[in-house]
Order: sequence, then C-alpha cells, then structure tokens
Amino acid sequence: QVQLQESGPGLVKPSETLSLTCTVSGDSVNNYYWTWIRQSPGRGLEWIGCVYYSGYTSYNPSLKSRVAMSMDMSKNQFSLTLTSVSAADTAVYYCTRDNTDYWGQGILVTVSS
Amino acid sequence: DIQLTQSPSFVSASVGDRVILTCRASQSISYLLAWYQQKPGKAPRLLIHSASSLQSGVSSRFSGSGSGTGFTLTISSLQPEDYATYYCQQVHSFPRTFGQGTKVEMK
Repeated sequence: QVQLQESGPGLVKPSETLSLTCTVSGDSVNNYYWTWIRQSPGRGLEWIGCVYYSGYTSYNPSLKSRVAMSMDMSKNQFSLTLTSVSAADTAVYYCTRDNTDYWGQGILVTVSS
Repeated sequence: DIQLTQSPSFVSASVGDRVILTCRASQSISYLLAWYQQKPGKAPRLLIHSASSLQSGVSSRFSGSGSGTGFTLTISSLQPEDYATYYCQQVHSFPRTFGQGTKVEMK
C-alpha cells in the first residue's frame, strides 16, 4: 500500500524559507510525477508543482520565482522549498502522487514571527 | 494555463436528492479531469478519474461525465456522508489546476 508522509517545521518566520519533505513507502519515487498541493485556511486547493525522477519540474506560475522541488531516490523522498515566505503562505501542505488517490495527511505550516 | 470554473459554489440539498455539479475548462482537456471530495480536516479523496471512471472503493451513486470543456459530477441520491466540498482538477497539462470548489450543504 502506497503511503506518503509530510515532515518539516510547523512554524516559519516571515521572509525565511519553508522546507518540507515527503517520505514515500510502498512505491518508488523513480516512477510517476510527485506533487505538492496546499490549502490556505478556509480556501481551495492550490497546486504548487511537481517533480519527476529525471529532474523535470513544473511549478505554479504564481509561485515559480520562490519554489524549488527535488528528489532523493536513495531515501525515497521528495522535497519542497519555498523562499521569502509571508503570512499568505500559511496553509496545510500535502504531498501526493500525481493524478491518484495517494495523498499524505497534510502538514500545517504557519508563517508567523 | 488552463482555468477551471465550478458551478455552483454552494448547493443546499437534502438526503435523497439528485445533485449535479459542473466544471468548465477554459480550453479542451479531452477526458483528462478528476473529481475529489474533501471533508473538513481531511485530505481530498479521489472519486472520479478520466472524467467518468469511478475510483476503486467509491460508491456507485457518484458518476462523472463530459469531455472537452464541460464536465459534470452527479450524486444520484445524496447521503449524509456526502456533505462535503467537491473539486475538479485537470490533468491534461502542467501546471495542474483545480476548480474553486463546490460545497454541498444540508438544506
């Protein structure tokens, strides 16, 4: 059974960098597109971007200047970094396997001093 | 980027009602659309993929249809556990995009 688990700090200061990791079990990150999606409190779903094992990435144009995604195949993980965060980046962040029902439980990241 | 517009934004319905939600794409996405259900505090759950294919384990009262730019999600007989927010997502191209959601509320 495929399982995904987000990890990282739950609190980040404004202007700093948010870094999250998704650990995948029951599947290999060497296949498929792996994505990050977020949901601000009371708002809809926002696709942040995806990463493929070849190194291909695609990002939401509204976040592209601040986002980077990478993959560590030796640890079966992929990661997200978002720079220069503000309160608007406060959200639940989900990692998923693209176009599937495989989602992590989500991690709430609050941006506050 | 492909924009998705869901309507209505809110639906008030009673148990047993037939509920139809729509999702319109700004350009043709063929059949490459998914529907998700989300309940408060939970990750979204995939209901329908490829516009009309029922995800394994999902009740047959859910059905999807459409292609090109117009899609619908139908709940044939609303059950108490169906009160939730529903999102469509296009998987035709990157960047992926979601509709803004339709909340199904108790009448």
